Amino acid sequence: SAVISQKPSRDICQRGTSLTIQCQVDSQVTMMFWYRQQPGQSLTLIATANQGSEATYESGFVIDKFPISRPNLTFSTLTVSNMSPEDSSIYLCSVSWRGGEETQYFGPGTRLLVL
Amino acid sequence: GQQVMQIPQYQHVQEGEDFTTYCNSSTTLSNIQWYKQRPGGHPVFLIQLVKSGEVKKQKRLTFQFGEAKKNSSLHITATQTTDVGTYFCAGMDSNYQLIWGAGTKLIIKP
Repeated sequence: SAVISQKPSRDICQRGTSLTIQCQVDSQVTMMFWYRQQPGQSLTLIATANQGSEATYESGFVIDKFPISRPNLTFSTLTVSNMSPEDSSIYLCSVSWRGGEETQYFGPGTRLLVL
Repeated sequence: GQQVMQIPQYQHVQEGEDFTTYCNSSTTLSNIQWYKQRPGGHPVFLIQLVKSGEVKKQKRLTFQFGEAKKNSSLHITATQTTDVGTYFCAGMDSNYQLIWGAGTKLIIKP
C-alpha cells in the first residue's frame, strides 16, 4: 500500500478561475490516476497520469480543461481550468503498481465548490 | 462500451441483518475488486478476486467471483454500524482498465 496526500483538501472557487490539485505519494508507483466523483455517484476516471509524457484522457475529458503533470514517480497535479459550477465535485487521485495486484489506493480527495 | 452493473443502489437494513450487493459485467473480467467508501471518505480497497468461482472471506464479509468471471457478490453477515458506507465493485478488463460499478449504499435503520 501507499500513503497518499492531496492538497488542497477543499476549496471554494469563483467561476472562470483555475485550481491546481496536488497528489503526493510516499513511494514510487507505476500508475497514477485522476478521478471525479459527484456526490452520491460512482467514480469517473478523468485520465491516467503518465510519467514523462502526456496524460491519457478518457472520453469526455480534454487536456485544455484538465491539464495534468507527472514529473516523477511520486507526484502528479491536476488543474481544473476555467471552472464553472458544473465542475463542483470531489477529485481523487489514486495509485497502483503495474504487474502487481493492480489494486488502487486513493488519496483523501479534494472537495471543490465553484460559485 | 464495457459496463459493470451493480445492484441495488441502496439497501436499508436493521443492525444485525444481512446485506448483499451484486455486480454483473457485460464481458469477462481479468479480476474484480471491491472497495468501501465511508460517508465523507475515499474508497478503500477491500479485496481482489482473480480466479473463476473464487470465494474469499474477511470476517463477516464473503466475496464471490462467478464461474464465467462476469459477476460477483459481496455478502455481509449480521451488519454492524461500522459497516455503513457505499460498496463499489470494479472490474478490470483486458486493457488493465478498472470499470466501476455504481455502488450500493448500506444504510442501517435506527
